[in-house]
Amino acid sequence: TQLLEQSPQFLSIQEGENLTVYCNSSSVFSSLQWYRQEPGEGPVLLVTVVTGGEVKKLKRLTFQFGDARKDSSLHITAAQPGDTGLYLCAGPPGNMLTFGGGTRLMVKP
Amino acid sequence: DAGITQSPRYKITETGRQVTLMCHQTWSHSYMFWYRQDLGHGLRLIYYSAAADITDKGEVPDGYVVSRSKTENFPLTLESATRSQTSVYFCASTPRQGAHNYGYTFGSGTRLTVV
Repeated sequence: TQLLEQSPQFLSIQEGENLTVYCNSSSVFSSLQWYRQEPGEGPVLLVTVVTGGEVKKLKRLTFQFGDARKDSSLHITAAQPGDTGLYLCAGPPGNMLTFGGGTRLMVKP
Repeated sequence: DAGITQSPRYKITETGRQVTLMCHQTWSHSYMFWYRQDLGHGLRLIYYSAAADITDKGEVPDGYVVSRSKTENFPLTLESATRSQTSVYFCASTPRQGAHNYGYTFGSGTRLTVV
């Protein structure tokens, strides 16, 4: 059982649709990070959320940290094919990051 | 160029062979990590290092050995490769304590196949 559970595991949508992916845990995290990984590459940090209830926006991506700091969500507005990739949430126990299983997103033109 | 580089990008080896995956970073980050990524398991931490000559086990350390004689290098050795070690291996670094403040920077990975 992973400390961070992501859902859905797979998502295939058409260009222009909106979507939300989730990252849930039974544990409280001091912060959560979101990464995007493209095929053949390592994950790249998108954002870090630190405060319960915090909302951060990165262009068409909106990240939210739950009030209790046990969950986070990523909402993409008007998805584009360039958003295709594996989205990973990660949280720190200490100085290490533990990763969720990821949501694999495919955006079709 | 500055960054974190892994070599080789692809490796095929035979069961029982020793193989070493290399990781080099140019930022002098204190912390370095090795993860493996497998379908159905996500990224799992193998070993990490807080500084030169300081290493510690992660979630799945069995069958692996690491060393860190210099801050910039963090090689991962499979002492006697097994088929279950077929995976994609990622090296990562972060400058200091408090990963949530800085995030990790990952290399491009090494795809290892053990036949």
